[in-house]
Amino acid sequence: DSGVTQTPKHLITATGQRVTLRCSPRSGDLSVYWYQQSLDQGLQFLIQYYNGEERAKGNILERFSAQQFPDLHSELNLSSLELGDSALYFCASSAGTASGANVLTFGAGSRLTVL
Amino acid sequence: TQLLEQSPQFLSIQEGENLTVYCNSSSVFSSLQWYRQEPGEGPVLLVTVVTGGEVKKLKRLTFQFGDARKDSSLHITAAQPGDTGLYLCAGSSNYKLTFGKGTLLTVNP
Repeated sequence: DSGVTQTPKHLITATGQRVTLRCSPRSGDLSVYWYQQSLDQGLQFLIQYYNGEERAKGNILERFSAQQFPDLHSELNLSSLELGDSALYFCASSAGTASGANVLTFGAGSRLTVL
Repeated sequence: TQLLEQSPQFLSIQEGENLTVYCNSSSVFSSLQWYRQEPGEGPVLLVTVVTGGEVKKLKRLTFQFGDARKDSSLHITAAQPGDTGLYLCAGSSNYKLTFGKGTLLTVNP
């Protein structure tokens, strides 16, 4: 157990739907990162939050949004889902703001299947 | 866009063999991390290398950061089935962490 909790572990939904993925960071970590992993693209950085504020944005689609709440848990919202959104979505946490200078601890991921 | 190319993409070997996997880029990184990911799990950090030319050892795993801090290698001695997994390198620059697509290693008993 890495200390980063992600729910749900598996999710199957239809095109056009909206889903919310949830992440609880490791105790004491203030930064949360969201990554998308697919076979062809590898691990792609989506977005980072630090203590409730957005700190960095990667290849996140406009149909996707995220937020970090006062208790530091984070949610990733995926809307108007397309077949190509099927992937593993990972949350990671770290103590600080600079992803390169800190160790990222990953959760076990949420596997999204869009039919 | 900074790209990290990992090779080989797939590697299947017998228990006891040695292997090396590579992580190359045209960009300079302030540090480089190696992760291992097992099926159904998230990546787990193995090591961080910071200084050009740095070599770090973790039991049977040897990690090297290139002198120019653009590339890295991971050498495994006497591979064991427990080493099976996806090995990812990740380069840090300007506070961003960029991952390669990984090398999927299978060690057969």
